[in-house]
Amino acid sequence: DTGVSQNPRHKITKRGQNVTFRCDPISEHNRLYWYRQTLGQGPEFLTYFQNEAQLEKSRLLSDRFSAERPKGSFSTLEIQRTEQGDSAMYLCASSYTQGSPLHFGNGTRLTVT
Amino acid sequence: GIQVEQSPPDLILQEGANSTLRCNFSDSVNNLQWFHQNPWGQLINLFYIPSGTKQNGRLSATTVATERYSLLYISSSQTTDSGVYFCAAIPNFGNEKLTFGTGTRLTIIP
Repeated sequence: DTGVSQNPRHKITKRGQNVTFRCDPISEHNRLYWYRQTLGQGPEFLTYFQNEAQLEKSRLLSDRFSAERPKGSFSTLEIQRTEQGDSAMYLCASSYTQGSPLHFGNGTRLTVT
Repeated sequence: GIQVEQSPPDLILQEGANSTLRCNFSDSVNNLQWFHQNPWGQLINLFYIPSGTKQNGRLSATTVATERYSLLYISSSQTTDSGVYFCAAIPNFGNEKLTFGTGTRLTIIP
């Protein structure tokens, strides 16, 4: 059990560019979550998967955001046409099943210039 | 959705002091977790405690589910305890997302 792994750790991009982040959950965890955290705030829910099915999406997840978990293992979060307001820490978490604890990765810090 | 409130928002203590952090939640829950976020942004699991009491070294937590609150106790504080402490919960009914409180920023002074 190596924990939840996120890549890259940091990403600096120019406004208007597309970015993609990857999350590898703890093996055998069938639930995978994406959160976003801005400075001084608690993490905010974006979306979650059970296996490969995306079960819920937050209103925060605009049309420029898309998340996938094609084989029920790793997940990607893509942001198209980035804006300065997208600058934040993007956190991934996984859990074994409903009601079990979530384990978070170290996050990807995005800076849009 | 569920509301999660934490108090106090900020706490400054001398090294060696004890502290109590509180988390109130608005609905019955099947998941309640305490996290410590270190200065590098890493969220560290402290406790999974939807009910009852747990202890881990200098830290302990109690959740009184019927009264919808949880307490995190830190004894003999050390400078490495500094950071933001978050409480988060998933309600028994409705959506299954973990909702975070706004956190308590703890600063331990040597």
